[in-house]
Amino acid sequence: DAGVTQSPTHLIKTRGQQVTLRCSPKSGHDTVSWYQQALGQGPQFIFQYYEEEERQRGNFPDRFSGHQFPNYSSELNVNALLLGDSALYLCASSFGWVLAYEQYFGPGTRLTVT
Amino acid sequence: GIQVEQSPPDLILQEGANSTLRCNFSDSVNNLQWFHQNPWGQLINLFYIPSGTKQNGRLSATTVATERYSLLYISSSQTTDSGVYFCAVEGETSGSRLTFGEGTQLTVNP
Repeated sequence: DAGVTQSPTHLIKTRGQQVTLRCSPKSGHDTVSWYQQALGQGPQFIFQYYEEEERQRGNFPDRFSGHQFPNYSSELNVNALLLGDSALYLCASSFGWVLAYEQYFGPGTRLTVT
Repeated sequence: GIQVEQSPPDLILQEGANSTLRCNFSDSVNNLQWFHQNPWGQLINLFYIPSGTKQNGRLSATTVATERYSLLYISSSQTTDSGVYFCAVEGETSGSRLTFGEGTQLTVNP
């Protein structure tokens, strides 16, 4: 049973560029959430996708956008990168989004903006 | 939104010692999870425990939802237990998003 997968593992971008991160959920899961973890802090919720629609959003600017595909995989896009966007980006998957089910996390993508 | 506080922020133990990590939250929750983050950043699920007590080997957890806290117990600690332990909750009014505490950095020395 494949767990949550993310790609790429590491990424280095220049300020002002755009980046796309990818996530495939755990088998049987249909909901994908994205989190940003800055160094030394706990993960912060970015947004959540269910049935190809953004269902919830955290306190992140519109530069952060996403998409969910019919196979439940998801992308996180960040435009006009800032130095402060350097972080570990974590994807989590779960079953359903109204009821509280256990969430499982992928290994993360470490983004460095120079 | 819901607030999550973890204590202590740092904990240093000798191998074989026991420890208790605490998580306080400010509102009623539908979900509470404990995670261990390894040095490579992977969050490993330890417990899904919105209420009650669970045990898994040397680890156990108790959540007292009415008093808004959860405890993670680690017995006979090993060096491989080192890392950051996070508590994360889904508030009843915040939808199915997880709000994390700042974590407890555990170091187990041989």
